Amino acid sequence: EPEVTQTPSHQVTQMGQEVILRCVPISNHLYFYWYRQILGQKVEFLVSFYNNEISEKSEIFDDQFSVERPDGSNFTLKIRSTKLEDSAMYFCASNRDRQNYGYTFGSGTRLTVV
Amino acid sequence: QKEVEQNSGPLSVPEGAIASLNCTYSDRGSQSFFWYRQYSGKSPELIMFIYSNGDKEDGRFTAQLNKASQYVSLLIRDSQPSDSATYLCAVTDNAGNMLTFGGGTRLMVKP
Repeated sequence: EPEVTQTPSHQVTQMGQEVILRCVPISNHLYFYWYRQILGQKVEFLVSFYNNEISEKSEIFDDQFSVERPDGSNFTLKIRSTKLEDSAMYFCASNRDRQNYGYTFGSGTRLTVV
Repeated sequence: QKEVEQNSGPLSVPEGAIASLNCTYSDRGSQSFFWYRQYSGKSPELIMFIYSNGDKEDGRFTAQLNKASQYVSLLIRDSQPSDSATYLCAVTDNAGNMLTFGGGTRLMVKP
C-alpha cells in the first residue's frame, strides 16, 4: 500500500537553528498537509498546500514557518529559527483530491529543540 | 473557534466487550467526521469516516453520527488487546481542507 514517507524520524537541534523536515507524499496525490502534535496534546493543523501554493494555514504557521515543493516528489517544512516550544511530532499528510475521505499521515518526525 | 471534545479516559473494557467512544463538536458547519487510531509515539491511522446521519459499519467498527446533537461516536465490537490505543475524533468543514482533532480517548482492552 502506498505510504507517505518522512525524514528524519528524529531530529535534535539547538534553539535558534533552522530545520527542514522532509516528506515524500503518495505519488498521485495533489494536496499536502503538515500537522504537529506536542507531547500529550492534540494534533494541530499547520498548513495545506495545493498547486504550488498554500491554500490554508493556521495561527501557528507564522513567519518562522515555510513550506515548499522543490521538485516533483518532496514536500518540505522549514522552521527558520527554532524555539523550545517547537519541540513536537510533525506529521505530513497527503490526499488525492479535494474530497476528504481521510488522508494518509506519514510516520512523523520527532523534533527536539534544546 | 472550532472545538472537538473527547473524554480523555482511560476507558477500560474487558476483551470481547463493546467499547464505546464519544465525541462532540462545536461547529454546525462541520461536514465530514473521522476516527483515527494512534498508538503511542506513532502517527494517526484512519479507521473510518462518516458524512451522513446514522450508522456506518466496517467490520468490528461502527461510526454513528447525529448532526442535530453535534455528536459522533465509535463502537468497537469484540474488543481485542491490540485495540488498546488512543482514538482521535476529527472533523472538517465544507471546504474539507483541514482536520480539527479532539484530544483523544485512551482505550485499554484488558485480556
